[in-house]
Parts: sequence; C-alpha cells; structure tokens
Amino acid sequence: AQTVTQSQPEMSVQEAETVTLSCTYDTSESDYYLFWYKQPPSRQMILVIRQEAYKQQNATENRFSVNFQKAAKSFSLKISDSQLGDAAMYFCAYRFLNFGNEKLTFGTGTRLTIIP
Amino acid sequence: EAGVAQSPRYKIIEKRQSVAFWCNPISGHATLYWYQQILGQGPKLLIQFQNNGVVDDSQLPKDRFSAERLKGVDSTLKIQPAKLEDSAVYLCASSLRGGQPQHFGDGTRLSIL
Repeated sequence: AQTVTQSQPEMSVQEAETVTLSCTYDTSESDYYLFWYKQPPSRQMILVIRQEAYKQQNATENRFSVNFQKAAKSFSLKISDSQLGDAAMYFCAYRFLNFGNEKLTFGTGTRLTIIP
Repeated sequence: EAGVAQSPRYKIIEKRQSVAFWCNPISGHATLYWYQQILGQGPKLLIQFQNNGVVDDSQLPKDRFSAERLKGVDSTLKIQPAKLEDSAVYLCASSLRGGQPQHFGDGTRLSIL
C-alpha cells in the first residue's frame, strides 16, 4: 500500500523568507503523480503544485517549487518570499497514474505559520 | 466558474442518529469523490463516482455509510447510525474526468455527541 509521510507537524517562517516542507512516500509503482495541497481555516483543499513522476524537471508555480528526488522517494515544497496568506495546513499527496484509480493518498499535514 | 458546493457547513448530532451531506460538483465534472478527514489527519477517500457509477468504495464502512449519485450530478453521503468515531470533516471533490486535478469543496464538519 502507498504511504505518505510528513515528519514536520508544524513549521514557522518569517514573512518574506523561504521555507521548505518535507514529504516522503512509499510506492512500488514507477509512474505516479505527487501533489501539494494547501488547506486554510476555510477547510477547502487548494492545489498548490503537481509533479508527474516521469518528468525529471522539478515543477514550479510562481513562488512555489518542489525538489523531487525519485530514487529517494522524497518530494519537498519550497515557498519563497513567504506571505501572510501562505499560512495554512499543507498536505503532500500521492496518486496512481492510471485512470480508474485516482484516489489521493494524503500525509498528515504540516501547519505553516508566517511570522510578520 | 462556480466551485464545488457542499451543505450543511456544520452538523451536530447524537450518536446513533442519522445524518446526510450533500455535494454539487463543478458543472460538467464527471468524477466525484467523498473524503473523510479526521482531526489531525489527512483526508481519506471514502468513495469515488464516475458519472453515476461507483469506481472505488473499498474504504467506505458499508454497514453504516451509503452514498449515491443518481443522475450523475449531485451526490448525497449518509451515515446511519452515527458513531463517535465518525466525527470528522467530510470533503467532496470533483474532476472533469478521471486523471484530471480534483477540486474540493469547503467540507461539512460533523460532530457526534
């Protein structure tokens, strides 16, 4: 079974600084998707960034980027120039590549606090 | 584009009572998911629909949970009878079709007394 582990229950960062959230996963598959979702107090899960395992290039979305190490099964999220609106729970998630099995397997989350 | 709509936003019931949650996905989205998020954990998939057919319900406690999506649009998740361990946030998500990114609603927070 696939598992996703987030070893940092809480992280904090000064506004405008950079922070990295860690995620490791376990799978026997060679092709899959990895995601980072943000969950503010409103509870809605918001997709931050997505990485396809068959792509060697790390995904980037504005201030958000990932460090994907397939052999190490590691998928960290880097947030640059942190803003107050980035404060939320962040969840790492895994999904099979093939259609018909799209369930997301989530980690336990990291609570990110932004210090003004 | 209107997002995934869920209601109610909060629900408080006593154990052994029944409760139902409603979800209206984004227009045109064929795939609909129900997740359970217990406090301090990540969401866990309960059931996935493709149009009005069930794709995966392997983690749905079928002795007490049921879900339907009769016309392939909105969906209802029911718990009967509720247990204390069912206290959680129930999230609905939809995607255009299998393989596309999932869009989540705001969830329903269920408290069991």
